[in-house]
Amino acid sequence: GNSVTQMEGPVTLSEEAFLTINCTYTATGYPSLFWYVQYPGEGLQLLLKATKADDKGSNKGFEATYRKETTSFHLEKGSVQVSDSAVYFCALIPSGGYNKLIFGAGTRLAVHP
Amino acid sequence: SAVISQKPSRDICQRGTSLTIQCQVDSQVTMMFWYRQQPGQSLTLIATANQGSEATYESGFVIDKFPISRPNLTFSTLTVSNMSPEDSSIYLCSVSRTESEQYFGPGTRLTVT
Repeated sequence: GNSVTQMEGPVTLSEEAFLTINCTYTATGYPSLFWYVQYPGEGLQLLLKATKADDKGSNKGFEATYRKETTSFHLEKGSVQVSDSAVYFCALIPSGGYNKLIFGAGTRLAVHP
Repeated sequence: SAVISQKPSRDICQRGTSLTIQCQVDSQVTMMFWYRQQPGQSLTLIATANQGSEATYESGFVIDKFPISRPNLTFSTLTVSNMSPEDSSIYLCSVSRTESEQYFGPGTRLTVT
């Protein structure tokens, strides 16, 4: 079946450190891939997306590249800020998946000054 | 994007009672979904709310427990029936116009005592 696996958190970093949150997926065909972010006490926001192999999604300094060969969509940011502290969810919509999102477990990021 | 509101934002309910959650979108959308986020967990799709017909439920969710209405293209309700403490969760609606983007409401935080 279709699934998403994320690295376990929490991830604790100092401000201006480099961030990587690993995400791998299992799906047939070519799913669409997403990163969502949930700030404390808020709903989910779409952070970035990629809909085909080798696409790079980017937003607010975050990037992720759709790697078909490794079935991965790792999230990166070159220099994190305290305001980036949140829970990050990797997700996919399977090919022909009628827009049904399948989420990973989420990774909590805590950034300290 | 889309502006999505949910009512109520939070509620505390007694076991055995029911709560209806409303989701309103600022413009017409093709698809609407309901998700559940149990404490400290990821999101799980409950059902797809279909306009003018019965909702499509995911495995493990049934209409008697989670009846859903969608009378038009901008509004939907989810009822959590005969509640137990295990139903304590955040319930989120989401909307989609295209295959590659989905937006979430702020969520309804439900506590069942």
